Amino acid sequence: DVKVTQSSRYLVKRTGEKVFLECVQDMDHENMFWYRQDPGLGLRLIYFSYDVKMKEKGDIPEGYSVSREKKERFSLILESASTNQTSMYLCASKETGLNTEAFFGQGTRLTVV
Amino acid sequence: AQSVSQHNHHVILSEAASLELGCNYSYGGTVNLFWYVQYPGQHLQLLLKYFSGDPLVKGIKGFEAEFIKSKFSFNLRKPSVQWSDTAEYFCAVIRNTGGFKTIFGAGTRLFVKA
Repeated sequence: DVKVTQSSRYLVKRTGEKVFLECVQDMDHENMFWYRQDPGLGLRLIYFSYDVKMKEKGDIPEGYSVSREKKERFSLILESASTNQTSMYLCASKETGLNTEAFFGQGTRLTVV
Repeated sequence: AQSVSQHNHHVILSEAASLELGCNYSYGGTVNLFWYVQYPGQHLQLLLKYFSGDPLVKGIKGFEAEFIKSKFSFNLRKPSVQWSDTAEYFCAVIRNTGGFKTIFGAGTRLFVKA
């Protein structure tokens, strides 16, 4: 069974804090993704990575950065958290290929106060 | 504007009713199409996918979807829903020219009344 594990289910952070969201997958997938999920907006891609140390901006990268030092781990960083970054964050991984499915973690619900 | 459009944000049905959730995409060329489901409190998981061949694809739990290329559509159907189908459903697309990014629609929340 593919497992994508996000380090926290719930986080509460203060405005201006630096926030790290961690994601680990155990299936040796090349590709990893960070999405945020908001009601009525679906899943929006923040960043993705197709290899170690490689990253590509998604549709809404502003205010975020990522790190992929090891194949199995993909971190999302909020440099200075703001209240409009309160959201559900989903990590996913998938094999290379256009018809392969993405496997998702349980999500991290981040609240910025 | 959304490149993957789901027509209904909320759907309420009684058990045994038939379900059809609409999905349209705006990309030209070859696409690979997916439906994902998120049950309450659970992670997103694949329901079914289409990439070639028979445009009518069958997925888990009695769901099916039909790819109609001329209409840029990939609608999800189930003849008779159950209370356990209450969930949020997401249509998604991977373009053959877009790398491996999966682009999602806004989702449809389905509530099935027992």
